[in-house]
Amino acid sequence: GIQVEQSPPDLILQEGANSTLRCNFSDSVNNLQWFHQNPWGQLINLFYIPSGTKQNGRLSATTVATERYSLLYISSSQTTDSGVYFCAVASAGGTSYGKLTFGQGTILTVHP
Amino acid sequence: EAQVTQNPRYLITVTGKKLTVTCSQNMNHEYMSWYRQDPGLGLRQIYYSMNVEVTDKGDVPEGYKVSRKEKRNFPLILESPSPNQTSLYFCASNRLGLNEQFFGPGTRLTVL
Repeated sequence: GIQVEQSPPDLILQEGANSTLRCNFSDSVNNLQWFHQNPWGQLINLFYIPSGTKQNGRLSATTVATERYSLLYISSSQTTDSGVYFCAVASAGGTSYGKLTFGQGTILTVHP
Repeated sequence: EAQVTQNPRYLITVTGKKLTVTCSQNMNHEYMSWYRQDPGLGLRQIYYSMNVEVTDKGDVPEGYKVSRKEKRNFPLILESPSPNQTSLYFCASNRLGLNEQFFGPGTRLTVL
């Protein structure tokens, strides 16, 4: 099946700093999503971005499908950005329609 | 408000006592699925459904049952729960042809 690797596994920042999270995947995809898992365990949809670039406030994401990677940018980080960030993809081929394969996540800690 | 709801949000039970976790979506989505999240193993798909009365196994279906009698509901049934089913469970849905998946708030299950 498709493999998803996220880096870095852990990231510690001071409030106000910028960061870039990376997601590499091993095959063609028809879905790529970025999630933020908050301390209560909820998965918050950040971006649906199988290709191209999107921005939402301080967050933006870019997926280069031909090179099989996606980047999540967080600017001017805040303590509320802390949590785990997941990249998840659905393979464009195969029979497992719609199944999202998740990376292991990046644990982000933002200190005041 | 468009959403996926799950109940209960938290449950502590004992081995062998049948339980059902409900999932409902109000977006008229055809595709629904269940995932479990475990430390070190990430999120894995349990079962999915592409429409009413159409269900299929995901990666970790053992010990679980599902049904899809109505488009909006997709309950997860544990006929005889065991401690290895202690986990955080998520229900998700999306419209066929539009791959962005929307997740419920999660159900934290403990089986003693």
